[in-house]
Amino acid sequence: AQTVTQSQPEMSVQEAETVTLSCTYDTSESDYYLFWYKQPPSRQMILVIRQEAYKQQNATENRFSVNFQKAAKSFSLKISDSQLGDAAMYFCAYRSEADSWGKLQFGAGTQVVVTP
Amino acid sequence: DAGVIQSPRHEVTEMGQEVTLRCKPISGHDYLFWYRQTMMRGLELLIYFNNNVPIDDSGMPEDRFSAKMPNASFSTLKIQPSEPRDSAVYFCASSLGRDRGGNQPQHFGDGTRLSIL
Repeated sequence: AQTVTQSQPEMSVQEAETVTLSCTYDTSESDYYLFWYKQPPSRQMILVIRQEAYKQQNATENRFSVNFQKAAKSFSLKISDSQLGDAAMYFCAYRSEADSWGKLQFGAGTQVVVTP
Repeated sequence: DAGVIQSPRHEVTEMGQEVTLRCKPISGHDYLFWYRQTMMRGLELLIYFNNNVPIDDSGMPEDRFSAKMPNASFSTLKIQPSEPRDSAVYFCASSLGRDRGGNQPQHFGDGTRLSIL
């Protein structure tokens, strides 16, 4: 079974600065998908960014980018030019390409605090 | 576009009562998921459906929990009888199928905060 580990319970960043959230996963598969979701205090789960394991190029969505290191099984999220609205819990998630394709395995989450 | 719609948003009830949570997935989505979120256990997948058929219910904690999907636009999660330890936020999510691309994300509803007294 795959496991997803987010080792940072909380990260603090000043407005306009950059913060990087770590995520590692354990799998024996070669094809899979990785996602970062954001959960603000309103408790919505919002997709931030996604990455296919077969793509070497790191995904980017505006101020959000990932550093995908397949050999190291690492999938970190970088938030650049942090804004107050980025304050939220961030979850890393893994999905297999195999028979259990539909299931997402989530990490425990990292709370991002943005200070003015 | 309407997203995933869950009802009720909040539910407070007494132990032993039956609780029914409802979900309307995004139109055209093939997959529907039920999650439970607690501080202690994080996000747990309870059950998921593909084309209205339950695929994996291994996350359903006990026989007190049941889920149905009678048609493509509606699903329920029922707890009977409810217990205080069932208090959590319950999310429903839906997604397109793998045939539309393996990187299809899950789209979440706003969740139901359930409190069992």
